[in-house]
Amino acid sequence: AQKVTQAQTEISVVEKEDVTLDCVYETRDTTYYLFWYKQPPSGELVFLIRRNSFDEQNEISGRYSWNFQKSTSSFNFTITASQVVDSAVYFCALSYNRGGSNYKLTFGKGTLLTVNP
Amino acid sequence: EAGVTQFPSHSVIEKGQTVTLRCDPISGHDNLYWYRRVMGKEIKFLLHFVKESKQDESGMPNNRFLAERTGGTYSTLKVQPAELEDSGVYFCASSPRGFNEKLFFGSGTQLSVL
Repeated sequence: AQKVTQAQTEISVVEKEDVTLDCVYETRDTTYYLFWYKQPPSGELVFLIRRNSFDEQNEISGRYSWNFQKSTSSFNFTITASQVVDSAVYFCALSYNRGGSNYKLTFGKGTLLTVNP
Repeated sequence: EAGVTQFPSHSVIEKGQTVTLRCDPISGHDNLYWYRRVMGKEIKFLLHFVKESKQDESGMPNNRFLAERTGGTYSTLKVQPAELEDSGVYFCASSPRGFNEKLFFGSGTQLSVL
């Protein structure tokens, strides 16, 4: 069985602070994929990143960075110099390869990030 | 390019009534998924279409839920009769054929069963 845990239900920061959203996953698969999605107030889930289990390189995209550590089964997401527009619910998700059904995502409960001016 | 469109955005119905949710995927996307988030819980997979065929419906809660995808285009999800525990946000997502990096999600339908 797969499971994703986002222990932080809500985080509140002041603009320009750095913030890290934690994600811990459980899976018995050797090949799997990890995702982060952002849900702004408009409601849709916006794709941020996808990582496969064989690629442990950390990634940086502008103010966003992701730290994937298989040893601790974690895929944490850091926003540097946060902005008010970063306020949203962030979901970590996991999927696996089962005969073509790659995208049966298992989501965490999400972390509500509020960035105050 | 239009994104994934879901209709209605909100629906309030009474227990025992029928509700039909609609999803229009991005044009040309063969894969269509339904997910649901019940208050306070995770977003959970309901089912997956490849074109008009159901690829995986293992997440459908019970036989009160019926999903269809006409001609491999838009999809509907009917709940009949609705129960209180069906309340939640129903998300639709689509992706192109083949190996894909990401799903494109709609804004969801907030269903409230009173």
